[in-house]
Amino acid sequence: AQTVTQSQPEMSVQEAETVTLSCTYDTSESNYYLFWYKQPPSRQMILVIRQEAYKQQNATENRFSVNFQKAAKSFSLKISDSQLGDTAMYFCAFLSNSGGSNYKLTFGKGTLLTVNP
Amino acid sequence: DADVTQTPRNRITKTGKRIMLECSQTKGHDRMYWYRQDPGLGLRLIYYSFDVKDINKGEISDGYSVSRQAQAKFSLSLESAIPNQTALYFCATKQSGANVLTFGAGSRLTVL
Repeated sequence: AQTVTQSQPEMSVQEAETVTLSCTYDTSESNYYLFWYKQPPSRQMILVIRQEAYKQQNATENRFSVNFQKAAKSFSLKISDSQLGDTAMYFCAFLSNSGGSNYKLTFGKGTLLTVNP
Repeated sequence: DADVTQTPRNRITKTGKRIMLECSQTKGHDRMYWYRQDPGLGLRLIYYSFDVKDINKGEISDGYSVSRQAQAKFSLSLESAIPNQTALYFCATKQSGANVLTFGAGSRLTVL
């Protein structure tokens, strides 16, 4: 079974600065996807960024980028130029791409990020 | 209208009551899921369904049951609610072979 670990329950950053959220995972599979979801106070689950394990290039979406280290099973999220609207709970998640296992999204416990003015 | 709609958005009930949370989708996806979110625990899978005739238990199915009434509808029931079932519940959908889940807005359940 896969596990996802987020070791930082809470983090804070000043507006306009850069912050990195950590995520590690454990799997024996080689083909999978990794995700970062954002959950603002509205509680909606919003997909921030997605990484395919077979792609070496790190995914980027505007101010959000990842550092994907497959051998180390590490998947960190970097938020540049932090904005007040980035204040939210962030979840790292894993999805197998192995046939019969391609059904379940496994989540970490989350990191609460607060952006201070 | 939202792609995945959950009702009710908020519900307060008493211990021992039966409660049903409903989920409907317009995505045409075959797979549907119920997750539970608790502070400090992330989201955990309760039940999932591959199609109308295929329902499977997730990590924490005890105390819950589900019904897939149609491809577009997947409901979660608590036959006799207890306080530790107080949580935020999410429905999600996915097309088989795809790599992204679509989430509903969540249903906040409080059991007194």
